[in-house]
Amino acid sequence: GIQVEQSPPDLILQEGANSTLRCNFSDSVNNLQWFHQNPWGQLINLFYIPSGTKQNGRLSATTVATERYSLLYISSSQTTDSGVYFCAVADPNFGNEKLTFGTGTRLTIIP
Amino acid sequence: DGGITQSPKYLFRKEGQNVTLSCEQNLNHDAMYWYRQDPGQGLRLIYYSQIVNDFQKGDIAEGYSVSREKKESFPLTVTSAQKNPTAFYLCASRDREVNSPLHFGNGTRLTVT
Repeated sequence: GIQVEQSPPDLILQEGANSTLRCNFSDSVNNLQWFHQNPWGQLINLFYIPSGTKQNGRLSATTVATERYSLLYISSSQTTDSGVYFCAVADPNFGNEKLTFGTGTRLTIIP
Repeated sequence: DGGITQSPKYLFRKEGQNVTLSCEQNLNHDAMYWYRQDPGQGLRLIYYSQIVNDFQKGDIAEGYSVSREKKESFPLTVTSAQKNPTAFYLCASRDREVNSPLHFGNGTRLTVT
């Protein structure tokens, strides 16, 4: 099946700093999503971004499908940005239905 | 408000007992999923269903069973054959269109002793 790797595994930043999270995947995909899991375990969808660039407030994401990676940018970090960020991709061998998650990046924002 | 409801939030069971986790959605989504998350780990797919009365095994289906008798409901049974059942279980759903996002419930934390 498709492999999804995220880096770095852990990131600790001061409030106000910017950060870049990376997601590499082993096969071409037509569905890539970024999620944020808060400290209480709730998962929120941030972006659907199989290619190109999207922005939503302080967050933006870019996927370069031909090079098999995606980046999530967080600017002017706030303590509420803390949590784990996951990317998930649809395995092309199973159509668009089987979403495989990476192991996540744990982001800690220090006041 | 539309959403996904998982119940209960916390569940405790003795080893050797089967236990069923509930997942209900009112988003009118066709596809539903069950994921397992272990501490400090990513999410691993247990089962998924694209349509009523049909479901497929994910990457770690052994020791689990599901049913999809109604569009709104996708219960997961953790059987006694599952060797390490203690985990955080997350249910999700999405529309079947290519660009539709995945929506998650708040999860059930199962502890088996």
